[in-house]
Amino acid sequence: SAVISQKPSRDICQRGTSLTIQCQVDSQVTMMFWYRQQPGQSLTLIATANQGSEATYESGFVIDKFPISRPNLTFSTLTVSNMSPEDSSIYLCSVEGQANTDTQYFGPGTRLTVL
Amino acid sequence: AQSVTQLGSHVSVSEGALVLLRCNYSSSVPPYLFWYVQYPNQGLQLLLKYTSAATLVKGINGFEAEFKKSETSFHLTKPSAHMSDAAEYFCAATELTADKLIFGTGTRLQVFP
Repeated sequence: SAVISQKPSRDICQRGTSLTIQCQVDSQVTMMFWYRQQPGQSLTLIATANQGSEATYESGFVIDKFPISRPNLTFSTLTVSNMSPEDSSIYLCSVEGQANTDTQYFGPGTRLTVL
Repeated sequence: AQSVTQLGSHVSVSEGALVLLRCNYSSSVPPYLFWYVQYPNQGLQLLLKYTSAATLVKGINGFEAEFKKSETSFHLTKPSAHMSDAAEYFCAATELTADKLIFGTGTRLQVFP
């Protein structure tokens, strides 16, 4: 499976600011995904990011709030814009496996706290 | 639309006891099914997956799960719990025509000595 890293691993931010989270994969992948895990809850898909095209957002998530970049096949960023305390969550990226495209592999997550 | 239900948000077992974590899915089309484990302050690790091959799937760390179409279930079991199994376990499903994963609400497993 791919090795996935995320930066930062955690951050504490002030209300109204923005944070960009990076996701790096050690191999080229077609599809990357961004999930949110709110405190004590399950994972919810924010968007799917394919290289060379606009990200596809799930219901309840908009590009202005969560802009995503996918400049190449090994890297993606998610920005959480104009943050409020309700954005405090763990944000995880995942990738589709190369040999097993039916399986997603997850990064370690970014723990965000908004004050 | 697909949905995944995990019965029991918390399960407690003694070390050495059987672990049974329940998962049911809603789709009329058998999906691909997955179990992931999340240890404290870590990301998700794939335990095992079902993709329409054998109905009994063996995973890492001694876990296995059985796909039962008639019951729309994919319960996770381990014969003998170990203290290191204490974690959050998520069942997830994806439909054959979609890439997105739908997660259950998770089950926190506690293992007592």
